[in-house]
Amino acid sequence: QVQLQESGPGLVKPSETLSLTCTVSGGSVSSYYWTWIRQPPGKGLEWIGYIYFGGSTNYNPSLKSRVTISVDTSKNQFSLNLSSVTAADTAVYYCARVFDTTAGPRYDYWGQGALVTVSS
Amino acid sequence: DIQMTQSPSSLSASVGDKVTITCRASQSISSFLNWYQQKPGKAPKLLIYAASSLQSGVPSRFSGSESGTDFTLTISSLQPEDFATYYCQQTYSSPPAFGQGTKVEIK
Repeated sequence: QVQLQESGPGLVKPSETLSLTCTVSGGSVSSYYWTWIRQPPGKGLEWIGYIYFGGSTNYNPSLKSRVTISVDTSKNQFSLNLSSVTAADTAVYYCARVFDTTAGPRYDYWGQGALVTVSS
Repeated sequence: DIQMTQSPSSLSASVGDKVTITCRASQSISSFLNWYQQKPGKAPKLLIYAASSLQSGVPSRFSGSESGTDFTLTISSLQPEDFATYYCQQTYSSPPAFGQGTKVEIK
């Protein structure tokens, strides 16, 4: 059974960089696309971006200038960096596996989510 | 960007009711439409992919259908564990946008 677990600081100061890591167990990061999604308190889901194990990435244009997603196959992890954060970036951040077939991609395994609050 | 509009934003229903949630895409997305269920404090869970394919392990009371750019999630007989928020997501083009969600509450 594939499991994902987000980790990182729960509090980030405005203008600083939010950094989260997703550790994958029960499966290898070296086979799929992996994605980050966030959800502000009481609001809906927003796709942040994805990475393929080979390193190719795709980001939401609304965040592209501030987002970097990377993968570390040796640690079976992938990571999210979001720079120049403001209070609007306060959200629960989820990592998920992208299962991509001819029927289209779907997010079949998710982490439990990590709440990140941006505040001084 | 493709916009996904869900309706209603919330509904009240009783156990045993048939529930229908609709998601409309702003342009054609073929069948690249997924449905997720989210319970409070939990991560979303994949229910339906490719508009009408049931994810492994999901009860058969959940079903999906499509008609042009309109997509429907149907719960044939609502169970107590189905009270949650449901999201559609298009994966036809980037960014893969979610609908705003439909909250299913107990009547």
